[in-house]
Amino acid sequence: GAVVSQHPSWVICKSGTSVKIECRSLDFQATTMFWYRQFPKQSLMLMATSNEGSKATYEQGVEKDKFLINHASLTLSTLTVTSAHPEDSSFYICSATRPRGYSGGAFLREQFFGPGTRLTVL
Amino acid sequence: GENVEQHPSTLSVQEGDSAVIKCTYSDSASNYFPWYKQELGKGPQLIIDIRSNVGEKKDQRIAVTLNKTAKHFSLHITETQPEDSAVYFCAARGTGGGNKLTFGTGTQLKVEL
Repeated sequence: GAVVSQHPSWVICKSGTSVKIECRSLDFQATTMFWYRQFPKQSLMLMATSNEGSKATYEQGVEKDKFLINHASLTLSTLTVTSAHPEDSSFYICSATRPRGYSGGAFLREQFFGPGTRLTVL
Repeated sequence: GENVEQHPSTLSVQEGDSAVIKCTYSDSASNYFPWYKQELGKGPQLIIDIRSNVGEKKDQRIAVTLNKTAKHFSLHITETQPEDSAVYFCAARGTGGGNKLTFGTGTQLKVEL
């Protein structure tokens, strides 16, 4: 499958600081990337859709001023958690969509996930 | 929007037995149904997917079936091995813009020796 990387894999920061997480598609270009948040033993919650060259689309209830997303190139999207607080501690996962061509008249896209970033805010 | 339900939440099987995880979805227009395996502390890994124009797909020990009429799809793992132990998520993608996936709540599969 396709390779998506995230950096850092884990980060510990003090309350009030900002943290940047990078998501890269290593072997394909991704016009669309997604950012998810996952709490322990829970499912993935979509935070926002990141589109290359345009503003991100945030899901309802996600503060766009707190979770800044930048998708400056076809292989890189960044998520910045601003003024982090302990309640922001979570596992943040990105994904990137890769075209797989046409099948049955539909254009197919697969979604590949990064390894995740564990954020702990003290 | 789309709503995906997944059962069971936990599943324990003996090595060599089969495991079945079931999901239902609400949006009849959904056309893509991937399954992901997530190991502890790692990101989800795509293991198999199925599109709405297909009823069944198999890849070695893993198979997925789709019943569009009933709006449910299932993951079947045969000859389970200890390394199959993980959390499995189903997902569905509607025809709305953005290629967004809606995930099920996950199934913790434990394969016991």
